[in-house]
Amino acid sequence: DVKVTQSSRYLVKRTGEKVFLECVQDMDHENMFWYRQDPGLGLRLIYFSYDVKMKEKGDIPEGYSVSREKKERFSLILESASTNQTSMYLCASAVSGANVLTFGAGSRLTVL
Amino acid sequence: AQSVTQLDSHVSVSEGTPVLLRCNYSSSYSPSLFWYVQHPNKGLQLLLKYTSAATLVKGINGFEAEFKKSETSFHLTKPSAHMSDAAEYFCVVSEDSGYSTLTFGKGTMLLVSP
Repeated sequence: DVKVTQSSRYLVKRTGEKVFLECVQDMDHENMFWYRQDPGLGLRLIYFSYDVKMKEKGDIPEGYSVSREKKERFSLILESASTNQTSMYLCASAVSGANVLTFGAGSRLTVL
Repeated sequence: AQSVTQLDSHVSVSEGTPVLLRCNYSSSYSPSLFWYVQHPNKGLQLLLKYTSAATLVKGINGFEAEFKKSETSFHLTKPSAHMSDAAEYFCVVSEDSGYSTLTFGKGTMLLVSP
């Protein structure tokens, strides 16, 4: 089975802190994604990457950046966390050319 | 542009009764359609996928969905609910088989009572 692992399940940070959310997949998938999930809003795409060092903005990239230095790892960075970034963050991966995603368990971030 | 509307934010059923979760979509092309399930504190798991083959799609755990182009619907059903079906369900549409840009519905929470 494909595994997508998000290293931090729960984080509590202060306003203005820099936050790193890490995601690792073990099935050599080309595509990786970061989504944000909020009640009543479903999932919204923040960024995705289709290759190492490549990235594309999703629907809500403002306030976020990403890094993909290795194929298996995709990091989401909040340069200066704000309270409106309190949310559940979901990482996913997919084979190139396929539109079936495999999700990690999520990282719940609280910004105080 | 593509969009998806889940018609109910919450659905409550009793164990053993049928489940119906409703989804309407909008797409300029022949879409791919999906249902994902999310159990509490877990990531999303694929239930089933439609990709222009059979209009009735069978998924895991006894769920199925029927693609109706004339109604632009892709409703999810199960004949008999089980307590373990209590979860949030997401309908998803995709026009693009390349970089996997999907549009998620807002979700339907399924509550199952004994």
